[in-house]
Amino acid sequence: DAGVIQSPRHEVTEMGQEVTLRCKPISGHNSLFWYRQTMMRGLELLIYFNNNVPIDDSGMPEDRFSAKMPNASFSTLKIQPSEPRDSAVYFCASSSENNSPLHFGNGTRLTVT
Amino acid sequence: GQQVMQIPQYQHVQEGEDFTTYCNSSTTLSNIQWYKQRPGGHPVFLIQLVKSGEVKKQKRLTFQFGEAKKNSSLHITATQTTDVGTYFCAFSGGSTLGRLYFGRGTQLTVWP
Repeated sequence: DAGVIQSPRHEVTEMGQEVTLRCKPISGHNSLFWYRQTMMRGLELLIYFNNNVPIDDSGMPEDRFSAKMPNASFSTLKIQPSEPRDSAVYFCASSSENNSPLHFGNGTRLTVT
Repeated sequence: GQQVMQIPQYQHVQEGEDFTTYCNSSTTLSNIQWYKQRPGGHPVFLIQLVKSGEVKKQKRLTFQFGEAKKNSSLHITATQTTDVGTYFCAFSGGSTLGRLYFGRGTQLTVWP
């Protein structure tokens, strides 16, 4: 079991640039979550997919953020344009069903200068 | 909205001392999960509690779910340096089935 795979591990970009974060969930898991972690706000749920369909995107900060899940094995989180306050660790997690444990990826540490 | 308070925010202990972190909710929880995140790592699932008054043990770790299902605790007996990390409680709730909310976590430091 390869676990949840995220790329890149680190991303440093300049303000105004587009950033794309990628996630491959565990095979067979039908729920996928994007979380953002900062010292100030802790772990925040950004968006949650079930069977590739966005169920709850109320945590997406603003229109600069968008997420897609074109198939069961791939999801992206895009920030366009990026801002320094977007700097954080972004985690992707997947689970097999509602209320079952989440399996987190290693995260992407994003720094926007 | 549903609120869960996790305390303390930080805890520093000498190796061998016990440690407890608490999660308290303003409303009844359907279930609660606990995760551990090592420094620089990602959250890793430890356990899930579902039943009122449930107690589960994993070696030196004891997890409890309150009778009213509004609070939960994680207790570590005789801490070791390998216990260092941040412990999070997480719960599902709200109008969206499957959405998991995380507490702010308790950061544990263990001095050798």
